[in-house]
Amino acid sequence: DTAVSQTPKYLVTQMGNDKSIKCEQNLGHDTMYWYKQDSKKFLKIMFSYNNKELIINETVPNRFSPKSPDKAHLNLHINSLELGDSAVYFCASSLRGGTYEQYFGPGTRLTVT
Amino acid sequence: DQQVKQNSPSLSVQEGRISILNCDYTNSMFDYFLWYKKYPAEGPTFLISISSIKDKNEDGRFTVFLNKSAKHLSLHIVPSQPGDSAVYFCAASAISGGGADGLTFGKGTHLIIQP
Repeated sequence: DTAVSQTPKYLVTQMGNDKSIKCEQNLGHDTMYWYKQDSKKFLKIMFSYNNKELIINETVPNRFSPKSPDKAHLNLHINSLELGDSAVYFCASSLRGGTYEQYFGPGTRLTVT
Repeated sequence: DQQVKQNSPSLSVQEGRISILNCDYTNSMFDYFLWYKKYPAEGPTFLISISSIKDKNEDGRFTVFLNKSAKHLSLHIVPSQPGDSAVYFCAASAISGGGADGLTFGKGTHLIIQP
């Protein structure tokens, strides 16, 4: 059983389009995250949700909108895609008040042409 | 402004020897540190962690050492095995924030284990 899953794994789209990436975890965690790994391989936090409530929004353009329908899911919707949005996006989850380790999904490689 | 630094982009070690990966941090608020291992086209996999109240944590072949006064931590892998070849990320968190904060990552060190 996959602990943290993301779909799709690869996403190629044109500038100006709107796209979504889905994330699901079956670990019983209450906190979920989105990270972006850019071309320089830097992993940076974008958003953090705890029990469906937004905790962190790290100066991400408002074209990016996370949505958490329940504790096990955190989706990322991106409007008006730009070339600079090309990156690998990782979803992660953890248990707040637990041991603080975050468990990552396999990543979604987004390419904007 | 990099708050977590891994100054060695790559490290080559012979199989069976010890691998030592280093990490420095600047933010005094960090009180929990983690190491992740990453293979190409996969997500980071949690390896080992250490709280700032400890100076050493061991799990099998992996040991993490923390020197708070120097703001430095290191990951020791002994003995090194071919499957250890991967990119290793150091990460830090301020868990006093409640544990829902994102992790701050270093740029990673590519460990290559040579036969």
